[in-house]
Amino acid sequence: AQSVTQPDIHITVSEGASLELRCNYSYGATPYLFWYVQSPGQGLQLLLKYFSGDTLVQGIKGFEAEFKRSQSSFNLRKPSVHWSDAAEYFCAVGGRNDYKLSFGAGTTVTVRA
Amino acid sequence: GAGVSQSPRYKVAKRGQDVALRCDPISGHVSLFWYQQALGQGPEFLTYFQNEAQLDKSGLPSDRFFAERPEGSVSTLKIQRTQQEDSAVYLCASSPAAGRNTEAFFGQGTRLTVV
Repeated sequence: AQSVTQPDIHITVSEGASLELRCNYSYGATPYLFWYVQSPGQGLQLLLKYFSGDTLVQGIKGFEAEFKRSQSSFNLRKPSVHWSDAAEYFCAVGGRNDYKLSFGAGTTVTVRA
Repeated sequence: GAGVSQSPRYKVAKRGQDVALRCDPISGHVSLFWYQQALGQGPEFLTYFQNEAQLDKSGLPSDRFFAERPEGSVSTLKIQRTQQEDSAVYLCASSPAAGRNTEAFFGQGTRLTVV
């Protein structure tokens, strides 16, 4: 069975500070990993994805994530957050021939001035 | 349009009422998904279409839920005799790939509230 754990329900960070969101996954084969962002009243927007190759992936809006197979983790980072980064972030896992995605419960990010 | 479009954006239904939620995927996208997102939770898979064929409906919570995509483009998710536990955001996503994982593009969702 596949599953995703996002240990932090809510994170508050100051504008300009760095941000790291944790994601741990369980998947029986080679995982495809995704980070999505959801702003209030909006759908999910893909920030970045990892399928294979370089374990450090760059995404949109200045985000990056690192795949660590030994730790079953895919943590999301941003060096300097902007007020517009306040949103809910979801990590998801699937497989190459597995069209379903399993999502974590999400981490809400609040940015304070 | 350029993205996945869902309508209505908001729906309030009385318990026992039937509802129909519409999804217009990105033109030409072969794959279409429905997900259910309960308050404070991540999306949960409901069903998957490849063109007009419903290949996976393993996530549908009960036989009150029914989805169709008769011409391989627009899809409708129907919920019969709605219950309070059906209150959630229903997300539709489409993908250009068939049967394998790639980037899925999500719509804004329909927020269903059953009163």
